[in-house]
Amino acid sequence: DAGITQSPRYKITETGRQVTLMCHQTWSHSYMFWYRQDLGHGLRLIYYSAAADITDKGEVPDGYVVSRSKTENFPLTLESATRSQTSVYFCASSVSPIRTGGHNEQFFGPGTRLTVL
Amino acid sequence: QQPVQSPQAVILREGEDAVINCSSSKALYSVHWYRQKHGEAPVFLMILLKGGEQKGHDKISASFNEKKQQSSLYLTASQLSYSGTYFCGTVQTTSGTYKYIFGTGTRLKVLA
Repeated sequence: DAGITQSPRYKITETGRQVTLMCHQTWSHSYMFWYRQDLGHGLRLIYYSAAADITDKGEVPDGYVVSRSKTENFPLTLESATRSQTSVYFCASSVSPIRTGGHNEQFFGPGTRLTVL
Repeated sequence: QQPVQSPQAVILREGEDAVINCSSSKALYSVHWYRQKHGEAPVFLMILLKGGEQKGHDKISASFNEKKQQSSLYLTASQLSYSGTYFCGTVQTTSGTYKYIFGTGTRLKVLA
């Protein structure tokens, strides 16, 4: 499918388990992002990646791990899930702001609703 | 730090106007606005790059005051379809890479 997809769309897990959320985009966008959305906090950046093998921390990276071996994929792993990580997770992609002088938008995936019991 | 948006929530009747404000403690290079409908992903509305710049999108427009590090989104003659959560976003640079930081969001509900 063209665009940006996330899987799974819904996930229920238990405290302490490892969980991986997948994100795949077909536009060859160099930048990819992971956000979590919680009521009252809006969208908070977890990790982002400027290109394959280049990742960096966002505002709330603790408890999460990312990798980006291929341009199109950007998985997010919760190494040992906690209840505070219950949230809706959005992946997004964009062309490099360097190429466009800032004239670029982010394209969001449909989101993954994660519940940690 | 996240930009702060105000108000947190607003309820309107169809045809009424609304203003959503976005304020940052850090210098703004650009401001992005997105709208998210319930249960859906955020969707891009517009970008403002220059201080004092105003842009429009249908009956939704925005201004950007670089000196005050603020942006405002103006919704004129609101329609039912305007309901949703509005986010402002800013671009920050760190060691040559760029990251997008979003505001706290404003929930807008338009009633018939």
